[in-house]
Amino acid sequence: GAGVSQSPRYKVAKRGQDVALRCDPISGHVSLFWYQQALGQGPEFLTYFQNEAQLDKSGLPSDRFFAERPEGSVSTLKIQRTQQEDSAVYLCASRRTGGALEQYFGPGTRLTVT
Amino acid sequence: EDQVTQSPEALRLQEGESSSLNCSYTVSGLRGLFWYRQDPGKGPEFLFTLYSAGEEKEKERLKATLTKKESFLHITAPKPEDSATYLCAVAGQGAQKLVFGQGTRLTINP
Repeated sequence: GAGVSQSPRYKVAKRGQDVALRCDPISGHVSLFWYQQALGQGPEFLTYFQNEAQLDKSGLPSDRFFAERPEGSVSTLKIQRTQQEDSAVYLCASRRTGGALEQYFGPGTRLTVT
Repeated sequence: EDQVTQSPEALRLQEGESSSLNCSYTVSGLRGLFWYRQDPGKGPEFLFTLYSAGEEKEKERLKATLTKKESFLHITAPKPEDSATYLCAVAGQGAQKLVFGQGTRLTINP
């Protein structure tokens, strides 16, 4: 079946621009997560949704980062006034209900801020 | 704070040369330990979930084991297509997020 999809796959932004990254989770998956992965490092948690409710945003690095999932399906991660340190791969993951803990990841969006 | 440390950072093996990757963890109440495979330019691909000490899981040439302090990913007679970065992650009690290690970059030479 279809996996998690993300768009765009690559994004180049000039410092100070706003960007929006999209995630389409696996159909029927209630939980959705965003992670940030720096080069050569493991993914780091940003935020978590259950349906449309954002239940944990403790990993968002600053108030320039904002995520939403208004209808409990597609999610958008927005970064305002991008800085060079925002350059990374942004990964989206989804998880089904019923006690299973494993998360399924999309291919990621590579953001480069110049 | 939950922490995961993987070793070695990088490992080169010859085709057919078996070895193990280590994942040490500290977590407040382990709900699950996860192994993922990540190829360059792609997202992590789920391999295994381990829930309690003593548990083992196998898939083709890979076997994951778990103790109260660490997990091992054993690779038997690897092939070049097993080359990838292997990530370990934990989910602690009351937390939904995964906490990842930095990964082990595995290269299998033909």
